[in-house]
Amino acid sequence: DGGITQSPKYLFRKEGQNVTLSCEQNLNHDAMYWYRQDPGQGLRLIYYSQIVNDFQKGDIAEGYSVSREKKESFPLTVTSAQKNPTAFYLCASSSGRETEAFFGQGTRLTVV
Amino acid sequence: AQSVTQLDSHVSVSEGTPVLLRCNYSSSYSPSLFWYVQHPNKGLQLLLKYTSAATLVKGINGFEAEFKKSETSFHLTKPSAHMSDAAEYFCVVSDRGNAGNMLTFGGGTRLMVKP
Repeated sequence: DGGITQSPKYLFRKEGQNVTLSCEQNLNHDAMYWYRQDPGQGLRLIYYSQIVNDFQKGDIAEGYSVSREKKESFPLTVTSAQKNPTAFYLCASSSGRETEAFFGQGTRLTVV
Repeated sequence: AQSVTQLDSHVSVSEGTPVLLRCNYSSSYSPSLFWYVQHPNKGLQLLLKYTSAATLVKGINGFEAEFKKSETSFHLTKPSAHMSDAAEYFCVVSDRGNAGNMLTFGGGTRLMVKP
């Protein structure tokens, strides 16, 4: 089945540690996105990539980093510079402009 | 620039009664508009989309939405609510002026369905 896979579903991190969230898609989509969702709030864009080896900052990129070495993969690293990383993280992909995005099932990150 | 306003953060209906979730948008171009649903701790699922074809769009699970350009609205409706409809709903806009195809999300509406 085609789709987007995020792993892990739950992740715990100690303060001061970096952690990487995985996102893989087999939809052959060029564009991929990372969003952050906090309780009772909408989605905020962290980073997006329209093509392999290229990515752009979204609205809240500080404290995060990404890579796009393969079309299928767009991992997100939450660095120790991110002051409030506890949140629900959603990865998405789309085939082009004005088309819908397909979402993964999310990763819930908790800093302990 | 594009933006989306969901006029109600919470909507409560009784099972079997109609559902109306309101959405207004602004866009510099002819937009594409979407409604997504999110159940707790899950990803977002596309309910329906408008991409400049018919203004009345039918989606999954009996939902539909009407694009009204004069009112810049894209309200989501369903004739009869079911308990399984209880979830968070997001109205989303994208227009061709947006180089990254970034979707702009509304703040969400939590739908509660009472038995």
